[in-house]
Amino acid sequence: DAGVIQSPRHEVTEMGQEVTLRCKPISGHNSLFWYRQTMMRGLELLIYFNNNVPIDDSGMPEDRFSAKMPNASFSTLKIQPSEPRDSAVYFCASSLHRGSLTEAFFGQGTRLTVV
Amino acid sequence: AQSVTQLGSHVSVSEGALVLLRCNYSSSVPPYLFWYVQYPNQGLQLLLKYTSAATLVKGINGFEAEFKKSETSFHLTKPSAHMSDAAEYFCAVSSSFNDMRFGAGTRLTVKP
Repeated sequence: DAGVIQSPRHEVTEMGQEVTLRCKPISGHNSLFWYRQTMMRGLELLIYFNNNVPIDDSGMPEDRFSAKMPNASFSTLKIQPSEPRDSAVYFCASSLHRGSLTEAFFGQGTRLTVV
Repeated sequence: AQSVTQLGSHVSVSEGALVLLRCNYSSSVPPYLFWYVQYPNQGLQLLLKYTSAATLVKGINGFEAEFKKSETSFHLTKPSAHMSDAAEYFCAVSSSFNDMRFGAGTRLTVKP
């Protein structure tokens, strides 16, 4: 398996623009996580899905952020409109949850810069 | 809600010295505990995990961690540091609800 695939790897956009980050989890995994990493706040859990259903989105910072998982092989994180303080590295991770927990596998991340 | 606290945002050791990275957790349910490593411009990679089996867990690259319920700790150790161990290390906690949350991270520097 190619692992968790995120695109794009780097994104530079202007304030006010819409940004869409994409994630393809590992085939067969049923849980998907979106994290944001900054120097100030570390690694924050934004939202996670089990079997394509959002379970906890309490980490989503504002209504400008939204995430979807239309099927088991694809998820998006959208920011509309974007602001400079959204600049961060966004990670997607997936795992197989079968009652007992297995570890999360991370993608390479998307480095977002909002100017 | 669960959380982890990593004591020390930056740890520096000499090559060949003991590595000790500290992690304390808070959880209202039996926790699952993890240590991940992150190299520059990379995603996180699992070092080891505790899932209620043996309290002493061995991981990759010579690392191990011991779960101590009485101390709510899950410290990461390695007997002899290598230059290649320089990276950022994250402790994480999860429950059967699968909500994995990370500590702030500890940056390990290895001096020659």
